[in-house]
Amino acid sequence: AQKVTQAQTEISVVEKEDVTLDCVYETRDTTYYLFWYKQPPSGELVFLIRRNSFDEQNEISGRYSWNFQKSTSSFNFTITASQVVDSAVYFCALSGGVDSSYKLIFGSGTRLLVRP
Amino acid sequence: DAGVIQSPRHEVTEMGQEVTLRCKPISGHDYLFWYRQTMMRGLELLIYFNNNVPIDDSGMPEDRFSAKMPNASFSTLKIQPSEPRDSAVYFCASSLRAGYGYTFGSGTRLTVV
Repeated sequence: AQKVTQAQTEISVVEKEDVTLDCVYETRDTTYYLFWYKQPPSGELVFLIRRNSFDEQNEISGRYSWNFQKSTSSFNFTITASQVVDSAVYFCALSGGVDSSYKLIFGSGTRLLVRP
Repeated sequence: DAGVIQSPRHEVTEMGQEVTLRCKPISGHDYLFWYRQTMMRGLELLIYFNNNVPIDDSGMPEDRFSAKMPNASFSTLKIQPSEPRDSAVYFCASSLRAGYGYTFGSGTRLTVV
C-alpha cells in the first residue's frame, strides 16, 4: 500500500527565515512519482514539482528547492528566505507505478504561516 | 488552455436532495480524478477514470455516490440523497498520462444543510 506522511502539521516562521517541509513516503512500486502542491488560502491546488523515482537529483527553482533521497524515502521541500505570500498548506503526494495504478495519494499537509 | 473546469463553484442544498457536480478535463488528458477534501480526512481520492472508463472506485464512500464519464470532455459526480456529512470541497483533476502532472480544478464547495 502507498502512504505519504507529513509529520509537521503546522510551522510558523518569521519572514526571511528558511523553512523545510518534511515528506516521507511508502510504496512497493519501483516506478513512482512524487509531487508537491501548494494550497493558498483561496483554496486551489497549485502544482509545484514532479519527480520520478529514477531521478534523485535535487532541484532548485528560485527560492524553492527539493531534496529527494530514496535511501530514506524522503522528498523534502525547502523555502529559502520565506515571504508572507508563501503562507499556505503544502501537500506532498505520491503516484505509484503499475501495482498502484498511478493513483495520486496525498499526505495530510503542512500549514505554513510566514509572519511579517 | 482553460485548465480543468468545475461547476458549480459553490452549492448549498438541503439534506435529501440530489447534487450533481460537473467537471471538464483538459483536452487530451487521458486520466480524470475526483477528490474530496475535508478537515478531518484531508484529500481523499474517490474515483478515477482512464479513457472514460472507471478504473478504481474504492474511495467512493457509499452507494449514494456515483460518477460517470460519458465522453472525454465531461464527467459528473452525483450524490443522491445528500447528507450533511457530505459537506466538503470536491476537486476534479486530470492528467495527460499516468504519473504525469495532475492539474486540479478550482473545486466545488458543497454545503448540505
